[in-house]
Amino acid sequence: DAGVIQSPRHEVTEMGQEVTLRCKPISGHNSLFWYRQTMMRGLELLIYFNNNVPIDDSGMPEDRFSAKMPNASFSTLKIQPSEPRDSAVYFCASSLQGLIDTIYFGEGSWLTVV
Amino acid sequence: KNQVEQSPQSLIILEGKNCTLQCNYTVSPFSNLRWYKQDTGRGPVSLTIMTFSENTKSNGRYTATLDADTKQSSLHITASQLSDSASYICVVSVGTDKLIFGTGTRLQVFP
Repeated sequence: DAGVIQSPRHEVTEMGQEVTLRCKPISGHNSLFWYRQTMMRGLELLIYFNNNVPIDDSGMPEDRFSAKMPNASFSTLKIQPSEPRDSAVYFCASSLQGLIDTIYFGEGSWLTVV
Repeated sequence: KNQVEQSPQSLIILEGKNCTLQCNYTVSPFSNLRWYKQDTGRGPVSLTIMTFSENTKSNGRYTATLDADTKQSSLHITASQLSDSASYICVVSVGTDKLIFGTGTRLQVFP
């Protein structure tokens, strides 16, 4: 199994630019999560999909952030416009079903906004 | 307030030694408790997941314990190796719809 696949692994962008992060969950998993990790706040859940439907987006910081899951094998997290405080590692994760099952994380997308 | 606290924040040990990491939680309703290992620059990897009725679970040299009465968990690492250097994160499930993450313990193993 290839695991959760994220791209890009690293992104450096200028403030105000649009950033799109991509994720391919583990095949057969019904739930997908986007997390953000910073030194100050640790791991935070941004949004959680179940069967491609957003279940909980209460962690999305503001309207600049949006996430989509057009099908079971692909999701995007978009930041528009990006700001320096968005600099963090963004992890995509998946599980068979919801938060009860083991959650498998990707290797993360390291975002730096200058 | 749902909360997960880990101690120590950081720990340095010599290769071959044992160590124990602590996790205290205040969560309701408790569903399960997980330990994750996160290597520098990598995503977290699940070590163990324990439900209310389980009080010990092992994964190789890693042994997790859970005391649901005192709301404490520990992760014991036996005969540490250099590759054990990582952050260890305690995560508690609240019901079926929320995870509370601890801030982690940073372990460094020196030769």
